[in-house]
Amino acid sequence: QKEVEQNSGPLSVPEGAIASLNCTYSDRGSQSFFWYRQYSGKSPELIMSIYSNGDKEDGRFTAQLNKASQYVSLLIRDSQPSDSATYLCAVKVARDSNYQLIWGAGTKLIIKP
Amino acid sequence: EPEVTQTPSHQVTQMGQEVILRCVPISNHLYFYWYRQILGQKVEFLVSFYNNEISEKSEIFDDQFSVERPDGSNFTLKIRSTKLEDSAMYFCASSLAVLMGDTQYFGPGTRLTVL
Repeated sequence: QKEVEQNSGPLSVPEGAIASLNCTYSDRGSQSFFWYRQYSGKSPELIMSIYSNGDKEDGRFTAQLNKASQYVSLLIRDSQPSDSATYLCAVKVARDSNYQLIWGAGTKLIIKP
Repeated sequence: EPEVTQTPSHQVTQMGQEVILRCVPISNHLYFYWYRQILGQKVEFLVSFYNNEISEKSEIFDDQFSVERPDGSNFTLKIRSTKLEDSAMYFCASSLAVLMGDTQYFGPGTRLTVL
């Protein structure tokens, strides 16, 4: 069964600290990994995508991928109260001749001022 | 910046009624999707659509659901006879292609409430 798992949280982090969000996936053939941010009542918004092992940095955000261990993480440096949201991990898997996004349930992040 | 739009933002309907949720994908995108998110739960894939036909659908997307691209811009999701459990946020998304690296961009969603 193709699954994406995340700790539901809430994860509470003081303002200015590093928030670390983790995601594991079961399909070894997965090649594309996405982190979306979702504020309450709003739609998912793409934060980062990563395709290769290692780190990918974009501003305060760093995505880390380890295909051997089947996990992907998101680090948020200098956390701000506006970063408080649910972070969704999505993994693109091949299915027949198509690709489908499989979603984790999300981790709720709370940044405390 | 181009964006996916959805109407209405909130739809209230009686159980058993038909509803049509509308989406305008990003203009040069070729692949379109509908997702559902029941309050407090994960995002669930419903259907993907390409070249005027369904390319993939989930178990949720049963005979009560249908999709259509009636013209060059709109993409609709129809629920024929709504049930209480259809109450959820429905998100439309679009992508330029369907390759591994292509990103799906989401609309703001329609909140469907079935009474």
